[in-house]
Amino acid sequence: QVQLVQSGPELKKPGSSVKLSCKASGGTFSTYAFNWVRQAPGQGLEWMGRIIPVFGTTNYAPNFQSRVTITADETTYTAYMELSSLRSDDTAIYYCAKGPAARPRFDSWGQGTLVTVSS
Amino acid sequence: QSVLTQPPSVSAAPGQKVTISCSGSSSNIGNNYVSWYQQLPGTAPKLLIYDTLARPSGVPDRFSGSKSGTSATLDITGLLTGDEADYYCAAWDSSLSSWVFGGGTKLTVL
Repeated sequence: QVQLVQSGPELKKPGSSVKLSCKASGGTFSTYAFNWVRQAPGQGLEWMGRIIPVFGTTNYAPNFQSRVTITADETTYTAYMELSSLRSDDTAIYYCAKGPAARPRFDSWGQGTLVTVSS
Repeated sequence: QSVLTQPPSVSAAPGQKVTISCSGSSSNIGNNYVSWYQQLPGTAPKLLIYDTLARPSGVPDRFSGSKSGTSATLDITGLLTGDEADYYCAAWDSSLSSWVFGGGTKLTVL
């Protein structure tokens, strides 16, 4: 069973950037798709994008295309998500979620990272 | 507004059955698999149903999924108070080249 452990909470100023990490333990890192999903307070789930190391591909949601970069380091089994030009409405819990590279599901989730954007 | 449409809330008594609907279009539910996620209060979501009707090991058979056209359904039978949670449907959208979620449905077990 693959476990995903995310980095700790962040407090950021508007206009700045944040880079979150998601470390996987167990399984074969490169064969998974690593997705980032966020949840604003009291709101639903919103997919931001994914990376599939074995295919060398990334996909980003249209709403985040210009501001998000997702990367992966296969040597440390860690996926990263960087979000730039932060606004107050980016305040949310950010989850990483993995699934098999070629299968459409999120079968394991990290514990979530709270990002607060405030001046 | 979410691309997939779910009712905001449903409720039923313990032991009863509840159905949660998820409506989409041909670019998502109509031509792709649907998955369902359960989010208990204060926790990360958990995979409940994948490939529209398959259950991961450990998920009770009280939970079942189905699809007809551009709509999907999650059925929960024999409701337990521990089933109180938010439930989300999701599917890949071929037009958007993105995953899309429903807005979530809050289940209350009265």
